Amino acid sequence: QQQVKQSPQSLIVQKGGISIINCAYENTAFDYFPWYQQFPGKGPALLIAIRPDVSEKKEGRFTISFNKSAKQFSLHIMDSQPGDSATYFCAASVNYGQNFVFGPGTRLSVLP
Amino acid sequence: DTAVSQTPKYLVTQMGNDKSIKCEQNLGHDTMYWYKQDSKKFLKIMFSYNNKELIINETVPNRFSPKSPDKAHLNLHINSLELGDSAVYFCASSQDRRNPYNEQFFGPGTRLTVL
Repeated sequence: QQQVKQSPQSLIVQKGGISIINCAYENTAFDYFPWYQQFPGKGPALLIAIRPDVSEKKEGRFTISFNKSAKQFSLHIMDSQPGDSATYFCAASVNYGQNFVFGPGTRLSVLP
Repeated sequence: DTAVSQTPKYLVTQMGNDKSIKCEQNLGHDTMYWYKQDSKKFLKIMFSYNNKELIINETVPNRFSPKSPDKAHLNLHINSLELGDSAVYFCASSQDRRNPYNEQFFGPGTRLTVL
């Protein structure tokens, strides 16, 4: 069963635009929400992460927005660049990480 | 220097064979993992392992077994390979599984194709 839902499945954005990827979860015990970035032929790599005690976290052009009551969180990529083209996975974990689950991924293409 | 390495990068084999994928991390991490990424890019954890405890995802067939000769290595053995085993397998490591805020470092993946 899918514990973390992610949308859209694919996203095309013009260079300089804003990319927005949304995730939703059901398990209220989740207490850590990372985003991973995966380039073709490579393993996923941590991009940014948030804990539920904050509503927003920003690192450079990447921002996570977190809505605990709605059980939703999203990734915003400002000033999107062709180099951002990759697959993005949201994820969630609880307690000791035994329930570390990934969303199905969003394939982002940033057009030059 | 590669933090998490896997061999081989590609593995093509016949149905029914037994194969192994090797994983090594030089980060000094306590915990290692195996993930399966299917053709739709969905990532699913198979195992997490430190030197004391193996956590198995209950959906993983018992044809799959992790073997850890030491803290820096976690190999994946697969018996009686089936067509549905075709996927990309990722090894990962983190400092401490008991701290969910630890970053997981992934290897480059092994693409397994079962014919």
